[in-house]
Amino acid sequence: GQQVMQIPQYQHVQEGEDFTTYCNSSTTLSNIQWYKQRPGGHPVFLIQLVKSGEVKKQKRLTFQFGEAKKNSSLHITATQTTDVGTYFCTYSSNTGKLIFGQGTTLQVKP
Amino acid sequence: KAGVTQTPRYLIKTRGQQVTLSCSPISGHRSVSWYQQTPGQGLQFLFEYFSETQRNKGNFPGRFSGRQFSNSRSEMNVSTLELGDSALYLCASGRMMGYEQYFGPGTRLTVT
Repeated sequence: GQQVMQIPQYQHVQEGEDFTTYCNSSTTLSNIQWYKQRPGGHPVFLIQLVKSGEVKKQKRLTFQFGEAKKNSSLHITATQTTDVGTYFCTYSSNTGKLIFGQGTTLQVKP
Repeated sequence: KAGVTQTPRYLIKTRGQQVTLSCSPISGHRSVSWYQQTPGQGLQFLFEYFSETQRNKGNFPGRFSGRQFSNSRSEMNVSTLELGDSALYLCASGRMMGYEQYFGPGTRLTVT
């Protein structure tokens, strides 16, 4: 079935460095959602992107949906230790089912 | 507004037994989805219920089943437990199917 690939799988950064995770699909997506899961926690909804080329910001986080609606990115500026966790992208299939990517696990060294 | 609650939070069962997990969605949410999370397989979709009807199903054997009640509360059942069923089972609720999901804390199931 339709899949989304997330890269990288793991990322270690020094506190203060920037971080970007990418979500790629071989087919056009109707929307993209991003979730964050802290270690030992549960996924928490961050944002949904629907429009081609859409860019949304939440403080230090910038989310982008590609022009062709086949890829998305999450960029964190000046990472902090509170950014540690796994970031998942997900999309709604044509039946409404959410399909999750494998996630990118971010480690931040203080 | 209270969040999604799941009971029990932790469970230890023996191979061959069966287990029932419960999920209470956020008030007003009619969609409830279940996921299995393991270190090796990530987040795997089990099934989704909306208005008491199963709307979507993942690629899991028939030992995994679920239901939703008229008050939107949901249960999932796993029969004839196997060691590989050890995982974190997450429930998520939403206003509509395919929209943002609000996850509960999960039930950590260990099968010995």
